[in-house]
Amino acid sequence: DSGVTQTPKHLITATGQRVTLRCSPRSGDLSVYWYQQSLDQGLQFLIQYYNGEERAKGNILERFSAQQFPDLHSELNLSSLELGDSALYFCASSPGLATHTDTQYFGPGTRLTVL
Amino acid sequence: AQTVTQSQPEMSVQEAETVTLSCTYDTSESDYYLFWYKQPPSRQMILVIRQEAYKQQNATENRFSVNFQKAAKSFSLKISDSQLGDAAMYFCAYRWGDKIIFGKGTRLHILP
Repeated sequence: DSGVTQTPKHLITATGQRVTLRCSPRSGDLSVYWYQQSLDQGLQFLIQYYNGEERAKGNILERFSAQQFPDLHSELNLSSLELGDSALYFCASSPGLATHTDTQYFGPGTRLTVL
Repeated sequence: AQTVTQSQPEMSVQEAETVTLSCTYDTSESDYYLFWYKQPPSRQMILVIRQEAYKQQNATENRFSVNFQKAAKSFSLKISDSQLGDAAMYFCAYRWGDKIIFGKGTRLHILP
């Protein structure tokens, strides 16, 4: 158990809908990262927050957005969902600013299925 | 652009034997970190081992060790005394600053 929690475990929804994925980092970790893992794209970095502020952006679509709250939990919002958004979404956390020394600890993931 | 390549999509090893998973990467940076993550059927990503590029000594964690060849940009993972619980997808990852890139993974099967 990494100490990172994600809810829900599974989510099934329809195209065009909007969903919110939630992540609670390990106790004391200030950085939260979001990843998408699909069969054809592998593991892709989406976005990172550090202590409430956006720190780095990867391959995140404009239909997706995220935020980190004062209690350090984070939410990933996915809107206007398409079939291709079906994937496993991981959250990871690390102790501090994205320095070379940080190791990321991954949560169990949320499986999103768009029908 | 930085890339991470895992050339072995699948591998099998007999229980108690040793197996080596390959990873190569491409970068022009000199100060970076390399990781191996394990993803078992539960789908959780578990950190196996980490290597700092400035360290010449290869990292070791119990039965897991790496062969880090910086000039060759190679970072292989050796699993000794393979156990059934080692069966998983293994991802090699490269990190420099805010950028982290994963390989496509190697699926490891353990044969009893």
